[in-house]
Amino acid sequence: DSGVTQTPKHLITATGQRVTLRCSPRSGDLSVYWYQQSLDQGLQFLIQYYNGEERAKGNILERFSAQQFPDLHSELNLSSLELGDSALYFCASSVGGDRSNEQFFGPGTRLTVL
Amino acid sequence: TQLLEQSPQFLSIQEGENLTVYCNSSSVFSSLQWYRQEPGEGPVLLVTVVTGGEVKKLKRLTFQFGDARKDSSLHITAAQPGDTGLYLCAGGDSNYQLIWGAGTKLIIKP
Repeated sequence: DSGVTQTPKHLITATGQRVTLRCSPRSGDLSVYWYQQSLDQGLQFLIQYYNGEERAKGNILERFSAQQFPDLHSELNLSSLELGDSALYFCASSVGGDRSNEQFFGPGTRLTVL
Repeated sequence: TQLLEQSPQFLSIQEGENLTVYCNSSSVFSSLQWYRQEPGEGPVLLVTVVTGGEVKKLKRLTFQFGDARKDSSLHITAAQPGDTGLYLCAGGDSNYQLIWGAGTKLIIKP
């Protein structure tokens, strides 16, 4: 158990809909990262927040947005969903600001868009 | 743009054999991490190396960071079916970001 929690575990929705994925980082971690992983693919970095502020952006679509709240939990919002958005979405957390940047991953949310 | 190339992309071997997975870049990293991911689960951190030439062992797994901190290798001795998974390397850059390799899918057949 990494200490990172994600909800929901599974999500099935239709094209055009909007969903929200939630992540709670490990106790004490200030950074939260979001990743997308399509079937049999590597990790695609989407976005990072550090202590409530956006720190870095990766290959995140304009239809996707995220935020980190004062209690450090984070939400990833996906809108106007398309079939190609079906994937595993992982959240990871780290202490933040340290040289090694070790990240600890949650169990993921499996999104299926029908 | 910093890139990390992993090789091989896919490896299927018999139980008991040895194997090496490589992670290479033209860029220097402040640290290099290896993760293992099982199907449907999140990646799990195996090791972090930060010093050029550093070698770390984790039971039958040996990790090495290149002297110039541009490459790394993961060697597994006497592979077991439980070693099956996706192995990912990630390099830490100067902005505290991780640059991810595409992964090596390893299958160990009993």
